[in-house]
Amino acid sequence: KAGVTQTPRYLIKTRGQQVTLSCSPISGHRSVSWYQQTPGQGLQFLFEYFSETQRNKGNFPGRFSGRQFSNSRSEMNVSTLELGDSALYLCASSPSGGIYGYTFGSGTRLTVV
Amino acid sequence: QKEVEQNSGPLSVPEGAIASLNCTYSDRVSQSFFWYRQYSGKSPELIMSIYSNGDKEDGRFTAQLNKASQYVSLLIRDSQPSDSATYLCAVPRVSNTGGFKTIFGAGTRLFVKA
Repeated sequence: KAGVTQTPRYLIKTRGQQVTLSCSPISGHRSVSWYQQTPGQGLQFLFEYFSETQRNKGNFPGRFSGRQFSNSRSEMNVSTLELGDSALYLCASSPSGGIYGYTFGSGTRLTVV
Repeated sequence: QKEVEQNSGPLSVPEGAIASLNCTYSDRVSQSFFWYRQYSGKSPELIMSIYSNGDKEDGRFTAQLNKASQYVSLLIRDSQPSDSATYLCAVPRVSNTGGFKTIFGAGTRLFVKA
């Protein structure tokens, strides 16, 4: 059974640019959640998608957005990048939203310079 | 008060000892609780789940839950150097939109000395 695939693994962007990250969940999992992890703030919830619908959103500015496709693959987009957006972005796959736990992808390490 | 609180450590134990990791949570209606292990430079991995008061054992790991005290713990018996990692306590929440989010504690760094 394939795991959770996140691409790309590493990204370096300059301030003001935008970035799109991709996540393919475990086959059969309909829920994809996104988290930002930084040394100072830990794991912070960005949003949760289930069957192409955003069901929940964290306390992040509107520059952070996402979507989910009919095959459950999800993308998140960050526009107008700021230095503080440098972080590890983790995708979490689950059948129904994490109530029984997540399987995480390897993450995308984003560095904004 | 943070929704999920953990002692950030580091917690250092000798090889073969019992490591005890603690977590408190603020939402009394929480029903499920998880422990994730995260090695340096890696993503978190689910290692234990617990839903009922009491103990749940899985190999060298025991999760303990006390809902009245809003307290969850993880015991690692016969600690090995390979157990050195950050352990994250996690509590899912249901939103009024029917969606879910999991609140993670800041994590406890564990060092097992050979």
